[in-house]
Amino acid sequence: GQNIDQPTEMTATEGAIVQINCTYQTSGFNGLFWYQQHAGEAPTFLSYNVLDGLEEKGRFSSFLSRSKGYSYLLLKELQMKDSASYLCACDTGRRALTFGSGTRLQVQP
Amino acid sequence: DADVTQTPRNRITKTGKRIMLECSQTKGHDRMYWYRQDPGLGLRLIYYSFDVKDINKGEISDGYSVSRQAQAKFSLSLESAIPNQTALYFCATSDFVDSKSNEQFFGPGTRLTVL
Repeated sequence: GQNIDQPTEMTATEGAIVQINCTYQTSGFNGLFWYQQHAGEAPTFLSYNVLDGLEEKGRFSSFLSRSKGYSYLLLKELQMKDSASYLCACDTGRRALTFGSGTRLQVQP
Repeated sequence: DADVTQTPRNRITKTGKRIMLECSQTKGHDRMYWYRQDPGLGLRLIYYSFDVKDINKGEISDGYSVSRQAQAKFSLSLESAIPNQTALYFCATSDFVDSKSNEQFFGPGTRLTVL
């Protein structure tokens, strides 16, 4: 079966750093995606990790450990507009992505 | 212009009615998907299609059917809508051949309410 876990909700302060974790147990694994989704809107692509290690893209970074079935999304210099849900999704090689339930991040002033 | 469009954006209907949600894309992608999103449950795959002749069930296909009319169009039908099909529905596309990943590009979503 496919199992992807991420925290339901997180709260952080504007200007701070927050780390959103994702653990997965899947039959087959090609890579891991992170998407951002504002309330009522479509998910938008943030990052894609295939190999172990850290991928940095501006204020956002994503880390993957394939041996541990673990990834995290790191958001630096938080802004109010970063308040959104963050979706972890695995490409299991089964022709479509499998999504976690999402982490709702609230950034406070 | 949006690359992936969905119509309608919002729909309220009654139990037992037949509903069709439409998705069109101008990205030239072969792969198209339908997901539904419920609070606390994330995105769940209903159906997917890798080309006009290839239709596959996802994890929650019961109560739904699809039609791939052309490479650019993928429709989702609810033959007899029921209240627990109230959800936000997303169409997505991907182009695995030209990209090195299975990145999904999402439409804006259709909010469906079944009374």
